[in-house]
Amino acid sequence: AQKVTQAQTEISVVEKEDVTLDCVYETRDTTYYLFWYKQPPSGELVFLIRRNSFDEQNEISGRYSWNFQKSTSSFNFTITASQVVDSAVYFCALSVILTGGGNKLTFGTGTQLKVEL
Amino acid sequence: EPEVTQTPSHQVTQMGQEVILRCVPISNHLYFYWYRQILGQKVEFLVSFYNNEISEKSEIFDDQFSVERPDGSNFTLKIRSTKLEDSAMYFCASRGTVNYGYTFGSGTRLTVV
Repeated sequence: AQKVTQAQTEISVVEKEDVTLDCVYETRDTTYYLFWYKQPPSGELVFLIRRNSFDEQNEISGRYSWNFQKSTSSFNFTITASQVVDSAVYFCALSVILTGGGNKLTFGTGTQLKVEL
Repeated sequence: EPEVTQTPSHQVTQMGQEVILRCVPISNHLYFYWYRQILGQKVEFLVSFYNNEISEKSEIFDDQFSVERPDGSNFTLKIRSTKLEDSAMYFCASRGTVNYGYTFGSGTRLTVV
């Protein structure tokens, strides 16, 4: 079985601060994908990143960066110079790769990020 | 960019009534999913569908739930006799085979009164 833990329920920062959202996962499978989604107050799930288990390179996209470490089963997400528009719930998710379909996403409980002026 | 379309965006129903939530997945995707999110909680897997049959379902997906792909384009979730605890946001998703990307619809907020 797969499990995703986001220990931070809620984080509040002041605009322009950097913030890191933690994600720890559990799986016995060696081949899997990790994801981050953003859920703004409007409710939709916005895809941010997908990373497969064989690619441990960190990734940067504008103000967003991700740190994937298999040794600690973590896939942390950092927002640099946060903005009010970053306020949302952020979900980390895991999907193992199986044959024959399925491949469900297992989500963490989410981290509510509040960015204040 | 292709998207997954869900209708309606919001539905209010009386307890005990049947509801059908509709989704149009991305046309060349082969894997389809329903997820549920009770207000303030995490997103939970309900069911996956591939090759015209259910490939996996969670314990939430009991006999009150069913899925169907009636015409090759729509993907529906039916709840036969709704309960108050079925009130949630329901997300449809589809996935292709090339880059393992899931695409979510914008959700249907179901309110059972």
